[in-house]
Amino acid sequence: GENVEQHPSTLSVQEGDSAVIKCTYSDSASNYFPWYKQELGKGPQLIIDIRSNVGEKKDQRIAVTLNKTAKHFSLHITETQPEDSAVYFCAAHLLNSGYSTLTFGKGTMLLVSP
Amino acid sequence: DTGVSQDPRHKITKRGQNVTFRCDPISEHNRLYWYRQTLGQGPEFLTYFQNEAQLEKSRLLSDRFSAERPKGSFSTLEIQRTEQGDSAMYLCASSSRDYPDNEQFFGPGTRLTVL
Repeated sequence: GENVEQHPSTLSVQEGDSAVIKCTYSDSASNYFPWYKQELGKGPQLIIDIRSNVGEKKDQRIAVTLNKTAKHFSLHITETQPEDSAVYFCAAHLLNSGYSTLTFGKGTMLLVSP
Repeated sequence: DTGVSQDPRHKITKRGQNVTFRCDPISEHNRLYWYRQTLGQGPEFLTYFQNEAQLEKSRLLSDRFSAERPKGSFSTLEIQRTEQGDSAMYLCASSSRDYPDNEQFFGPGTRLTVL
């Protein structure tokens, strides 16, 4: 089955700095890679996603890049703000396969200090 | 509120007791998922329903666990003879076949503590 590794497990930055979280996946057939943000006491919330036919996607201060050959993808947050502090999860999935399992990484706790 | 709701939010039980959790998906979402999340880990898939049919079950779903979605709307997850290792956050998510990329919307979770 799919295996997703995520690094780092914790990341501390100063407000205004950039943050980068990296993930690798094992199943070359996976074609959908969402990123979720989970705040304390809440369920994960989708913040951005990318499909395997695209190398990069950007939404305001958040961007995701995908390297299919190396089987890794990254989340980039620019101009970080204290409200970005949360746990971030990457995931991998094979769309339209008849299966619906999202395989998640173990998460990165991002702390943005004012 | 039109998001995914879960009840209860917290449950404390003694080892050996049975517990049941409820999930109400976003209205008209035909797909519903259960995940388990332990401290410091990402959510782990348990089972998946499309309408009322349970189509996938993880190896994590032992025979003490049972999930139902009788009318294709809300779902229940029951754990029989709870063990301390069952302590975790149980997350429910729903999605629509018609939504781009089958985005899964998560509820707030039910935190189970088995004493």
